[in-house]
Amino acid sequence: EVQLVQSGGGFVQPGGSLRLSCAASGFTVSDNYMSWVRQAPGKGLEWVSVIYSGGSIYYADSVKGRFTISRDNSKNTVYLQMNNLRAEDTAVYYCAKGGHCSSISCLNDYWGQGTLVTVSS
Amino acid sequence: DIVMTQSPDSLAVSLGERATINCKSSQSVLYSTDNKSYLAWYQQKPGQPPKLLIYWASTRESGVPDRFRGSGSGTDFTLTISSLQAEDVAVYYCQQYYNSPVTFGPGTKVEIK
Repeated sequence: EVQLVQSGGGFVQPGGSLRLSCAASGFTVSDNYMSWVRQAPGKGLEWVSVIYSGGSIYYADSVKGRFTISRDNSKNTVYLQMNNLRAEDTAVYYCAKGGHCSSISCLNDYWGQGTLVTVSS
Repeated sequence: DIVMTQSPDSLAVSLGERATINCKSSQSVLYSTDNKSYLAWYQQKPGQPPKLLIYWASTRESGVPDRFRGSGSGTDFTLTISSLQAEDVAVYYCQQYYNSPVTFGPGTKVEIK
């Protein structure tokens, strides 16, 4: 059974850092497209970052230079390191596994439970 | 980036009646090589992550009730719930995965009238 269990998150002041974790079971993270999607309170879904099975990495412009996606194959876990956090980064963050794909991108067939990140002074 | 729009923003439908949600992409998400539109639909209930309902615009994910039907091609798509059930109250999002970055529509909230 595919499962994504998230941890990390919480309350942080502007300029602070947090690391989110997404532990996978039932499949191998390094063989899959893994992404982070966030949802600000009461708002819609916003793609944040992706790591492809081959290791290519991309970020939304809004987080480029501040967030880093990575994976630990030995732990079958994906991470999102978030630095220099801003109030507008406040959101529930979801990790998600890629499913059916085009030549470039994939939909998300399994999602973590989400973790709330609150950035406030 | 491909911009996704949805209409209406919200709708209230009586139990057992049909709900129709529209999604439009700013450019075609149809691959000519396989004649598939790379458009997915998700359902999100309060406090839960999104759940994949439909992919390739019209293929139901395993386990999704057949009252959910996706249609359309190219730039215009529709999600139809043929007979609304109480458990279908949720926000529905379309997403294109034709290009990078993937982009989502703003969502349509479905409620019971």
